[in-house]
Amino acid sequence: QKEVEQNSGPLSVPEGAIASLNCTYSDRGSQSFFWYRQYSGKSPELIMSIYSNGDKEDGRFTAQLNKASQYVSLLIRDSQPSDSATYLCAASNTGGFKTIFGAGTRLFVKA
Amino acid sequence: EAGVTQFPSHSVIEKGQTVTLRCDPISGHDNLYWYRRVMGKEIKFLLHFVKESKQDESGMPNNRFLAERTGGTYSTLKVQPAELEDSGVYFCASSQDLPGPGTQYFGPGTRLLVL
Repeated sequence: QKEVEQNSGPLSVPEGAIASLNCTYSDRGSQSFFWYRQYSGKSPELIMSIYSNGDKEDGRFTAQLNKASQYVSLLIRDSQPSDSATYLCAASNTGGFKTIFGAGTRLFVKA
Repeated sequence: EAGVTQFPSHSVIEKGQTVTLRCDPISGHDNLYWYRRVMGKEIKFLLHFVKESKQDESGMPNNRFLAERTGGTYSTLKVQPAELEDSGVYFCASSQDLPGPGTQYFGPGTRLLVL
């Protein structure tokens, strides 16, 4: 079992729709969770971090964490073609710096 | 403020040769990380420095890989001798000295191809 699992996609949504990206993790000791966006040929860029159960909103992005279910999600509202990228879910332990990445979900937003 | 820089951007070498990758973190960032992504796989943690000290090198594949951060500034990752399976993209990242990994800023990566 992979430590952080994501559906590889591709996920295709029309412009203006909500894109929903999901991630599960296996290590119950994980306390910090991150969503990175990676455009083709570029480096990962942190877009959201979440540490507590519940929702965290930042602009068009909402991260959701459910530690009981070991589940993390990212919602992108009003999706734009510029959101088309690979989204990486990552997790680390409290106080730890070792970050475990999922393989990523490719998102396509159709104009 | 300059971001994380990596050199070279690309490297093509033959099996058995040596390659040294360099990473310059964001100024003032004590934490420096090396990651690797082989084709079709997830980004894998290699190791973590705090200043010049290796805090966690549990992700280093084998003893052909040697990372250093003399003086706590830039870091090098040497692969000697290189094998075909070492091909991939090597990312460096840095973060400030905060509890936990904080925001890691990634460099553009070095694309290594071993023939």
